[in-house]
Amino acid sequence: SAVISQKPSRDICQRGTSLTIQCQVDSQVTMMFWYRQQPGQSLTLIATANQGSEATYESGFVIDKFPISRPNLTFSTLTVSNMSPEDSSIYLCSVEDRDISNYGYTFGSGTRLTVV
Amino acid sequence: QKEVEQDPGPLSVPEGAIVSLNCTYSNSAFQYFMWYRQYSRKGPELLMYTYSSGNKEDGRFTAQVDKSSKYISLFIRDSQPSDSATYLCAMSANSNYQLIWGAGTKLIIKP
Repeated sequence: SAVISQKPSRDICQRGTSLTIQCQVDSQVTMMFWYRQQPGQSLTLIATANQGSEATYESGFVIDKFPISRPNLTFSTLTVSNMSPEDSSIYLCSVEDRDISNYGYTFGSGTRLTVV
Repeated sequence: QKEVEQDPGPLSVPEGAIVSLNCTYSNSAFQYFMWYRQYSRKGPELLMYTYSSGNKEDGRFTAQVDKSSKYISLFIRDSQPSDSATYLCAMSANSNYQLIWGAGTKLIIKP
């Protein structure tokens, strides 16, 4: 199965600043997914990143707040811009992994973000 | 009403017990059902995958889908302290559709 390296694992940031989260996959993948996981809540898909095209954002998420880059088939970044305490959460990247099963997803270890 | 409901717990049981974790859902179009396990400070990892109805067994784990009741279950036999984690259900209507996630149940296995 795919292996994802996600950085940073955690960070504490000042409000109004931005943080860029990186995900590196050990194999080429078409789509990469970015999720937010808040305590006690289900995973929420932020956007889907395809290489060579604009990311597709889910309802409630906008490019100005969460710009995404996908420069090649193994790498993607998510930036959390102009942060506020409400952005404190765990952010996860994920890829579809057909090696696991007919329908599986592999996740990075997550970035635990605290905004103060 | 959420599309997928899952009791957040925590669920605390003694080592060796049989654990039952459940999710209910409202969308009758769901056909792909998954259980993920998430340890603290880690990303979710796929534990079980089931397509449509029926049971699937893998070692100490059994996944069960009852589409008539819109109810899925994960059973863990001979539970171990290493099974302590958060268990998330996820489902989708089509392999090209977005996964819909439960909130996760925190499971604690007491030695």
